[in-house]
Amino acid sequence: GQNIDQPTEMTATEGAIVQINCTYQTSGFNGLFWYQQHAGEAPTFLSYNVLDGLEEKGRFSSFLSRSKGYSYLLLKELQMKDSASYLCAVRDRGTDKLIFGTGTRLQVFP
Amino acid sequence: GAVVSQHPSRVICKSGTSVKIECRSLDFQATTMFWYRQFPKQSLMLMATSNEGSKATYEQGVEKDKFLINHASLTLSTLTVTSAHPEDSSFYICSARLPRGGLETQYFGPGTRLLVL
Repeated sequence: GQNIDQPTEMTATEGAIVQINCTYQTSGFNGLFWYQQHAGEAPTFLSYNVLDGLEEKGRFSSFLSRSKGYSYLLLKELQMKDSASYLCAVRDRGTDKLIFGTGTRLQVFP
Repeated sequence: GAVVSQHPSRVICKSGTSVKIECRSLDFQATTMFWYRQFPKQSLMLMATSNEGSKATYEQGVEKDKFLINHASLTLSTLTVTSAHPEDSSFYICSARLPRGGLETQYFGPGTRLLVL
């Protein structure tokens, strides 16, 4: 089976850097995704990691360590609009199912 | 990116009625679509995998007779909540899978908010 853990809530200040961690246990790993979801809206794709290391995309970076079953999403130069839930999801090999973590609600303060 | 639409975006119905939600891939053909449910302040829970031309595969604990899924074409999957009850009130989101080869293999629809009175 699969088990994905994230912190439930985080707060940060505008302009700061925040790291959201995700740990997972899965029987068949085929990539890890990070999604952003604003309240009442569908998730939007942020990043994808399938190999170990850091993927950088603008203000957002995502890291993966497959041996440790660990990933993090790094948000730099935080803006008020970054207040949202951030969902970590693991893709199952073969079925392509996405198994979501509980999500981390990030609140950015001025 | 690929576009997925859902209709309706919001629906209010009386207890005991049935509600149909449509999920369409607008600019690509999707042999597989996924249906998720999300309760307030919770994450997305996969309900079922919808395959074009065949029966849907339901996740454990999801009643297939209550949540009817039809994937009649490569661009349309429908979810019908039969005899809806207040506990079925939730945010229902579909996603459509791109053909293999893309990194981001699932694109999400905007979601349908169902309120059962």
